[in-house]
Amino acid sequence: EDQVTQSPEALRLQEGESSSLNCSYTVSGLRGLFWYRQDPGKGPEFLFTLYSAGEEKEKERLKATLTKKESFLHITAPKPEDSATYLCAVQPRFSGGYNKLIFGAGTRLAVHP
Amino acid sequence: EAQVTQNPRYLITVTGKKLTVTCSQNMNHEYMSWYRQDPGLGLRQIYYSMNVEVTDKGDVPEGYKVSRKEKRNFPLILESPSPNQTSLYFCASRRTTGEYVLTFGAGSRLTVL
Repeated sequence: EDQVTQSPEALRLQEGESSSLNCSYTVSGLRGLFWYRQDPGKGPEFLFTLYSAGEEKEKERLKATLTKKESFLHITAPKPEDSATYLCAVQPRFSGGYNKLIFGAGTRLAVHP
Repeated sequence: EAQVTQNPRYLITVTGKKLTVTCSQNMNHEYMSWYRQDPGLGLRQIYYSMNVEVTDKGDVPEGYKVSRKEKRNFPLILESPSPNQTSLYFCASRRTTGEYVLTFGAGSRLTVL
């Protein structure tokens, strides 16, 4: 069964304290892995897509990496405005996967000044 | 501004009273989808549509109906709501060509008493 597990469920950081969020997945062939950011009261907002093991993408203080079993979202020197829930999702290559994403439950990140 | 608009944003109703959650996008996207978000479970796909008059079930379609009579609109219909349909609902859309990027609405929080 296709599955996505994110850890930790919640993370509290001090401003400037770098850390990483984990997304472990089992899927019947991976078409793509996605990271979204969700602010309270809003819908998820797209951040990155990764397609193959070894791929990395960066945006400001965020860097996403991908292996054959997991993805990491590295946050370097975070600021309070990085506080949000970060969602990971996979798009299966098979099982009708083109038309759906399988989401993890998310990691709630709080960055304090 | 490119966006997905959902209404209502908040709704409290009673068991068995039919309701419709509307979704409209202004980006001329072919693909539209409905997800529900529950604590600890992540986003789960209810229904999706590849284009006008083309709809298909997602992972949790029971108790829901959809229609796609116009390209911009994709309403979610709960014919006889039950308390287990209390959830946060998101509509999303994307192009069917190019990068797989979902644009989400702001969400509709539904409570069924």
